[in-house]
This record gives sequence, structure tokens and C-alpha cells, in this order.
Amino acid sequence: SQQGEEDPQALSIQEGENATMNCSYKTSINNLQWYRQNSGRGLVHLILIRSNEREKHSGRLRVTLDTSKKSSSLLITASRAADTASYFCATDRMNRDDKIIFGKGTRLHILP
Amino acid sequence: NAGVTQTPKFQVLKTGQSMTLQCAQDMNHEYMSWYRQDPGMGLRLIHYSVGAGITDQGEVPNGYNVSRSTTEDFPLRLLSAAPSQTSVYFCASYRGQGGYTFGSGTRLTVV
Repeated sequence: SQQGEEDPQALSIQEGENATMNCSYKTSINNLQWYRQNSGRGLVHLILIRSNEREKHSGRLRVTLDTSKKSSSLLITASRAADTASYFCATDRMNRDDKIIFGKGTRLHILP
Repeated sequence: NAGVTQTPKFQVLKTGQSMTLQCAQDMNHEYMSWYRQDPGMGLRLIHYSVGAGITDQGEVPNGYNVSRSTTEDFPLRLLSAAPSQTSVYFCASYRGQGGYTFGSGTRLTVV
């Protein structure tokens, strides 16, 4: 069963705009992670946010976490063509850090 | 430092054949996992391991076996390949409380 679910499934925006993707999950977690996957490639870890954190930044990425709503968002500011990829959230389970479960991903397409 | 290495990158099998997908990591990570990725399904966990000698089932373990005799290696065995196992397979490792490192994947077709 999927723990995390991303929304929207697909998103197209103009280069330079901001892109926001959301993730909802079902059970209490230790942390939530976001990954990027370029077409035909493996996943690349972007950022991890712990359950006691509310916001985290990394370059043009901003991640928020609302544990009361069991949701997270990934904001990419000033999008570039190279940001075209699929983005996945992944969650573990509280008190269990032995495996993480991925959502189905958001396909982001940056239009020139 | 190679990270996570998966071999082969591509494979075509006939129904009923068996094979082993190799995965090796050189980061001394405790945890390793196998996922399969199908269109529209995201990544689904097949098997995982929290250390040498310890393995456990994930979401979709049927038709697959794993073993973890060393920290570095975590092979995935297909016992009797079926067309439903056509997929892209990813191996990943992590130390714990951090991000996963993924291999580049194995694209498997079962005919």
C-alpha cells in the first residue's frame, strides 16, 4: 500500500515560474524525503525533513511539513528546463527506519 | 567511490527462466533495498535488508528471493520469470537517518 501520495500527478509550467508539489501520507513518520528522477535514470535524493521540523531549504528548493495534516510540499523556485523530471516523496514509519515507501510521483515539465 | 552499482543494465528473459540481478555498494551502508518501477505505479518495495544476514519482505515480494551474505552485496533472484515481472528494477542503500543512494537501474523484459 502506498504511504505517500503526490499531487498533482503532472504539472507543466513556464520556465522561471515556481513549481509546487504536494505529498500526503497516512501514518506517523520519523522523516519525509523528496527525490528527483530524470527520464531513464535512478532517483536522486533532494532533501530530508524530520518530523520535528516544519520547513527546510536547499538552494532553490523549499520543503514544508505539516504533521497534523500528514502532508508536505516541495517548492522549486525560478524553475529551469533542467528541473523537468519526476518528483517523489518517500516516508518511513515512526520508530522504524528500516525502509521507506514511495508515492507515485509528480511529473514536472518546464516549458521554454 | 562508485556508490551503488547494478548489473546488468538491460536483460531479456524468456518466461520460466531464472536470473540474478546484482547490486553492490561501497559506502558501508547498513540498509539495502530493491524496488521495481512500473509506469503509473511509482516505486514498489520488493525486499529489503537491515544488515548482513537479515532480510525482510516488502510490498511485492512474490517471485523474488534475496540474500545478504555481506554488507556490500544484495542480489535479487527471479526464480521463474513471468511477463508480469517486466519492469525497471532499482537497488538502493542508506546508512540510516539519511537519504537513499540509488543505482542506475536494470531494465528487465520477460517475453
